[in-house]
Amino acid sequence: EAQVTQNPRYLITVTGKKLTVTCSQNMNHEYMSWYRQDPGLGLRQIYYSMNVEVTDKGDVPEGYKVSRKEKRNFPLILESPSPNQTSLYFCASSFRQGRRAGTDTQYFGPGTRLTVL
Amino acid sequence: AQTVTQSQPEMSVQEAETVTLSCTYDTSENNYYLFWYKQPPSRQMILVIRQEAYKQQNATENRFSVNFQKAAKSFSLKISDSQLGDTAMYFCAFMMLDGGSQGNLIFGKGTKLSVKP
Repeated sequence: EAQVTQNPRYLITVTGKKLTVTCSQNMNHEYMSWYRQDPGLGLRQIYYSMNVEVTDKGDVPEGYKVSRKEKRNFPLILESPSPNQTSLYFCASSFRQGRRAGTDTQYFGPGTRLTVL
Repeated sequence: AQTVTQSQPEMSVQEAETVTLSCTYDTSENNYYLFWYKQPPSRQMILVIRQEAYKQQNATENRFSVNFQKAAKSFSLKISDSQLGDTAMYFCAFMMLDGGSQGNLIFGKGTKLSVKP
């Protein structure tokens, strides 16, 4: 089954304790992206990757890191989480078309609910 | 910068009836995609329908159709024969195809739809 998976689905942690949220897709998509969803603000892009070893900042990158060492995986790293990073996080992926990034439909993972105390 | 506005925070409809959700967007670009995503209580983001801006014909997917008015920058979603399973938050989203957006989906704040038996 074609899908985007995220782990963990729920996480409660404390301020300053490094954590990683994994994202994996089995559709051979070049493009992957992370969004956060907050009440009243909708979804906002954190980071994206157009292919292996190619990553760049989205609209709200502060406090986050990513890496893309393999095509299927795109982990989100919070090196020193703070309470304002409490949110619902989504990973998404899509095919690219030529030089255009994310021009095909983005498919979303199930979401990770993160609470930072 | 592109913006997406959904002016109806909440709507309700009786089962089997038709409902229309509104979306307007602001852009100076000519080449873009528009999407409707559905987010049920499970929090999963599910693609409902996609419209390419260069296509004049309105997209349809079974009971879901759009009214795309490019000059007016309007993109409404019509749900026919509403079912209880359509109860969800609906998000309108915009994505540029060219330039530096790099696949960033710009989301509206959502419309919460309740289908009543």
